[in-house]
Amino acid sequence: GAGVSQTPSNKVTEKGKYVELRCDPISGHTALYWYRQSLGQGPEFLIYFQGTGAADDSGLPNDRFFAVRPEGSVSTLKIQRTERGDSAVYLCASSLIGTDTQYFGPGTRLTVL
Amino acid sequence: GEDVEQSLFLSVREGDSSVINCTYTDSSSTYLYWYKQEPGAGLQLLTYIFSNMDMKQDQRLTVLLNKKDKHLSLRIADTQTGDSAIYFCAEGTGNAGNMLTFGGGTRLMVKP
Repeated sequence: GAGVSQTPSNKVTEKGKYVELRCDPISGHTALYWYRQSLGQGPEFLIYFQGTGAADDSGLPNDRFFAVRPEGSVSTLKIQRTERGDSAVYLCASSLIGTDTQYFGPGTRLTVL
Repeated sequence: GEDVEQSLFLSVREGDSSVINCTYTDSSSTYLYWYKQEPGAGLQLLTYIFSNMDMKQDQRLTVLLNKKDKHLSLRIADTQTGDSAIYFCAEGTGNAGNMLTFGGGTRLMVKP
């Protein structure tokens, strides 16, 4: 079956602009996660959704970052007033339930000029 | 806070065994995972081990867990050039054990 998909695969933006990154989880997966991977490092947790609600957003670095999952399926990560330090690969993962194995998408590479 | 550490680099010859090591800090972790990342690709789950197990074998992969020392290892038997990638260990942390904390990754290079 189809895996986790993320769009766009690459996004280049200018400092100060607003961006939206989209994640389509595996069909039927109730849990969805966002991670950020900077160059040469392991992924870092950002936020976890169980259904439509954010069950844990402790990893969001500041209030410029926000994520939604209004219908419990597709999720959008929104970054306001982007900074060069936001440049990274943003990874999405989903799992059948919150304690199950997470399956990752290919990521969106964000470059802030 | 949680911290997962791995060595940066490992080089082996094709056909040899590879052993990638990882140390973690959260003793309450329920599951520990190994993921593989090839250039330009997403993370691929290789295997995982439940915290009350000492060992798990899955074809060419063997995972050893020393919970007392908080040490996890991944052994790849008969390493192939296609195994060249970055390997990440991760522990499940957070209230429900579903927040993954990753190490920095070990780059495995397999020489023909």
